[in-house]
Amino acid sequence: NAGVTQTPKFQVLKTGQSMTLQCAQDMNHNSMYWYRQDPGMGLRLIYYSASEGTTDKGEVPNGYNVSRLNKREFSLRLESAAPSQTSVYFCASSRGHSNTGELFFGEGSRLTVL
Amino acid sequence: DQQVKQNSPSLSVQEGRISILNCDYTNSMFDYFLWYKKYPAEGPTFLISISSIKDKNEDGRFTVFLNKSAKHLSLHIVPSQPGDSAVYFCAASAGNNNDMRFGAGTRLTVKP
Repeated sequence: NAGVTQTPKFQVLKTGQSMTLQCAQDMNHNSMYWYRQDPGMGLRLIYYSASEGTTDKGEVPNGYNVSRLNKREFSLRLESAAPSQTSVYFCASSRGHSNTGELFFGEGSRLTVL
Repeated sequence: DQQVKQNSPSLSVQEGRISILNCDYTNSMFDYFLWYKKYPAEGPTFLISISSIKDKNEDGRFTVFLNKSAKHLSLHIVPSQPGDSAVYFCAASAGNNNDMRFGAGTRLTVKP
């Protein structure tokens, strides 16, 4: 029972490079999310997808794009990485279309931008 | 702006005693509150939640209290165990809004 799987777990980029973080869930959840965690800031929502085919901006969307490829997969893309995007990224999913339910998180992806 | 605040970065308690973790929020539209627990190198996991129509929710050793007038909630762990040592995040959301806001977290250490 994998739950939420993120890849890669670690990545080092140079400023200006691009990359995509992949996320997949096997719980048949409708909603999926991308958060970043920074020291002293908690988790901040980057983008979310309430259902297949829809995406919306969260609290800190600048510098990111997302794709809800299908119900299972939700990817996060950095087109031109900046040092300020050094962070730990978490993908999460939830059952319903609303957010009044628990989130199930992946193990995180640690990204360093030099 | 941080709409959910956990003002204590860390807390240390003795095994068997009570742990009380606090959380304040500023957005009066929040109506659902959750606590998550996070171990190093793992993702957060859901611990307990409370709706704004309640003021208390209990699940085993964990109880969450909500004081809407003070915009304050707390998590009580009784008795505390060494395995409870982790970072605890408070989170809040408003209705069908998918924008769940998290506090900065409190690192709990339970000493044997």
